[in-house]
Formats: sequence, C-alpha cells, structure tokens
Amino acid sequence: EIVLTQSPDFQSVTPKEKVTITCRASQSIGSSLHWYQQKPDQSPKLLIKYASQSFSGVPSRFSGSGSGTDFTLTINSLEAEDAATYYCHQSSSLPQSFGQGTKLEIK
Amino acid sequence: EVQLLESGGGLVQPGGSLRLSCAASGFTFSNYAMSWVRQAPGKGLEWVSAISGSGGSTFYADSVRGRFTISRDNSKNTLSLQMNSLRAEDTAVYYCAKGYYGSGQDAFHIWGQGTMVTVSS
Repeated sequence: EIVLTQSPDFQSVTPKEKVTITCRASQSIGSSLHWYQQKPDQSPKLLIKYASQSFSGVPSRFSGSGSGTDFTLTINSLEAEDAATYYCHQSSSLPQSFGQGTKLEIK
Repeated sequence: EVQLLESGGGLVQPGGSLRLSCAASGFTFSNYAMSWVRQAPGKGLEWVSAISGSGGSTFYADSVRGRFTISRDNSKNTLSLQMNSLRAEDTAVYYCAKGYYGSGQDAFHIWGQGTMVTVSS
C-alpha cells in the first residue's frame, strides 16, 4: 500500500503570499498524483490532475509539479477564498490513497 | 451538467446493514468506472471501493473487503454500495466519485454531495 505524506499539516498565511504544499509517496507513482481542495461542509474539488495538469475552471494561481515520489502544489498570490484543506491522492496502484491533508488558514 | 447524487445514509446499529445509492446524470454512465470515497467526522479522505464501467471488475480497500459490495445498474445510471456488518469506524460521509478519463484509477473530477452514515447503538 502506498502511503502519501503531506507537509505541513497546517499553515497560517497572509493574502498575496505564495504557498507550497508537498506530498511524498512511499514508492514511485509516476505522475499519477492529483490535488483537491475541500472547504468545510463541501465535497472535495479537483485542482490538479496527473501532477501538473490544471483542471478546467481552476484559477491559474494553482499549479502542480513533481514525479516519482515528490510532488508540490503551489498557490501563487493567495486569496482569502483559498482557505481550505488540501489533499493529494494517488491513483497509480490499488488501494488508492490520500494524504492526511494540509489545512490553510488565512490570517 | 454532470451530476452525482447520493442517498441512503442514516443511523444504523453496529452489525447492521445499509445500502447507499448514487444517481448519475449528464454523461454516458456505462463508459466510466466509479468509486466510493469516505470521510470520517473531522478526518481525511479514504478510498473505499471502485467498479469498472461494465461492472465486471470490482476493487475494495482492505478495511471493507468482505463486508461491502459495490455494484452498478447501467440501465438506471445508478451506483450502489451494500454495507454489511457495519462497525463504529465505518461512520463517515460517503461520496461517490467519477474518474476523469474513465478508468478506475484516475483523478476524481466529479463528486457527489455525500451521504452521512452513522453506526451507533
């Protein structure tokens, strides 16, 4: 089973700041890594698929990079509406798995 | 518009059973594998099960294998999850999710609103 470890678990940031969230896989998953945003009492929303492919309708300030075992979600010029929990997800092998989540608080 | 709508959640006693449904619309349902993902209160996301577009292949997390059964009715555009021998640790919001490209191992680009399952005496 592939374990995904995100860091940090929590981050308090100010608007317009650049944010980087990392996701490390316990073994190589190629580029089968996806990122989601979840706000309280809402379903998760896909931001980035296959490590770096932006999903339709997602603001351009969200970007992803990485391959193999190390991946990064970057949010440029953070906005207040970006307050949420972010999850990575691997679909390379079964069972599929998610990272533990990174909660972003806006100061 | 592509939509997924779950139903069937509720309160059930430990050891009991519950059947969840997910009504799909806005896409050719039989062309896409579908998955169930759950989220315990205040916790992260956990993949539960997936089924191929034809229904011929099914996959489960170890935590539910042998207790849960995923199925689909392509004539009714409906995905189901039969949950037996429920435990307190199965308490969660259950989401159905659609893969982007159609395989069972894919990014989930459409999620339902979720249905809450509470296992408690």
